[in-house]
Amino acid sequence: AQSVTQPDIHITVSEGASLELRCNYSYGATPYLFWYVQSPGQGLQLLLKYFSGDTLVQGIKGFEAEFKRSQSSFNLRKPSVHWSDAAEYFCAVVGGSSASKIIFGSGTRLSIRP
Amino acid sequence: DGGITQSPKYLFRKEGQNVTLSCEQNLNHDAMYWYRQDPGQGLRLIYYSQIVNDFQKGDIAEGYSVSREKKESFPLTVTSAQKNPTAFYLCASSPRLAGVYDTQYFGPGTRLTVL
Repeated sequence: AQSVTQPDIHITVSEGASLELRCNYSYGATPYLFWYVQSPGQGLQLLLKYFSGDTLVQGIKGFEAEFKRSQSSFNLRKPSVHWSDAAEYFCAVVGGSSASKIIFGSGTRLSIRP
Repeated sequence: DGGITQSPKYLFRKEGQNVTLSCEQNLNHDAMYWYRQDPGQGLRLIYYSQIVNDFQKGDIAEGYSVSREKKESFPLTVTSAQKNPTAFYLCASSPRLAGVYDTQYFGPGTRLTVL
């Protein structure tokens, strides 16, 4: 069965530091991958998505992610974080028996140290 | 402004009561979804609808019901059969029938608490 693992429950980084959030997936075919962000008490917003092509994907708010098939990973990166990046981040993959739904990881909460 | 609205933002329910959560979208999207979010568990799919008058069960449909009488509306009823309904509920929509390949747009959520 398809699955998504986000091994880090909570990460704290200093403002201005670089960020990498990890995501590993389990999927037999070429995966369709997403990163979403959720501010406290709010809905989710799409940061970026990968369907095919260039394995380095650019998203909104200065985020990027790299698809690595050999490692079954789709890690999210940002070169310099801002205090407004504090939120919960979800990795997701299209899955299900008929590719009819999105499977979300359990999320990584990002805190920013002033 | 186009978007998804959910109401109410906070909802309190007594045990044994049914409650209905509202979800409305003016994006002209065909597909709509309901998710449940619990701390440390990410989002789990309750129901989804790809077209008016049709909907499908997700992973955790027991104790919930939905309707899709209008394209823009997809209300969720949490019934008394749902044993642990306290959670944050998110509604989403996407443009096409094959909606999972599209961006999903999320509402702001409803936090349901059982007293």
